[in-house]
Amino acid sequence: DVKVTQSSRYLVKRTGEKVFLECVQDMDHENMFWYRQDPGLGLRLIYFSYDVKMKEKGDIPEGYSVSREKKERFSLILESASTNQTSMYLCASSSRQGKPSGNTIYFGEGSWLTVV
Amino acid sequence: AQSVTQPDIHITVSEGASLELRCNYSYGATPYLFWYVQSPGQGLQLLLKYFSGDTLVQGIKGFEAEFKRSQSSFNLRKPSVHWSDAAEYFCAVARNQAGTALIFGKGTTLSVSS
Repeated sequence: DVKVTQSSRYLVKRTGEKVFLECVQDMDHENMFWYRQDPGLGLRLIYFSYDVKMKEKGDIPEGYSVSREKKERFSLILESASTNQTSMYLCASSSRQGKPSGNTIYFGEGSWLTVV
Repeated sequence: AQSVTQPDIHITVSEGASLELRCNYSYGATPYLFWYVQSPGQGLQLLLKYFSGDTLVQGIKGFEAEFKRSQSSFNLRKPSVHWSDAAEYFCAVARNQAGTALIFGKGTTLSVSS
């Protein structure tokens, strides 16, 4: 089974702190994603990466950055956390092989971040 | 720009009754469409996907969806709902033909009454 693991399920951070959310996948997938989920807004794409050291902005990249130094790991960084970044963060991955537009995107269980 | 609309925020269905969750998309070319389910506090699980061929797609847990190009719709159906189907359901479309990321609707919460 594909496994996407988010190391922290629940975090509480203070305003202004630098926050790292870590994600690891074990299927040698090329693509990795970070989404943010808020009630009534669904999932919104923050950043994605289609290869090591490559990244693309999604729909809401402001206030976030990412790092992909190894194929299996994709980190989301909040440089200076703010209360409006309190949310559920979902990491995901997919393969680029075959017909990539039809490839399944696999999700982690999410990281609940509260910024106080 | 591509977008996905799920018109129903919350639906309640009696156990054993049929279910239809609506999804409309906006996309210029042939869309690649997905339905995901999320149980409380969990990540998303793929129910089914469409990217070509037969417009009626079968998925896991007894779900199916029908792609209707003329109506720009991809509605999810199940003939008989079980209490364990209570969850949030998301429709999604691939952002482009390369399909590296998905655009999600805002979700429909399904409650099942006994």
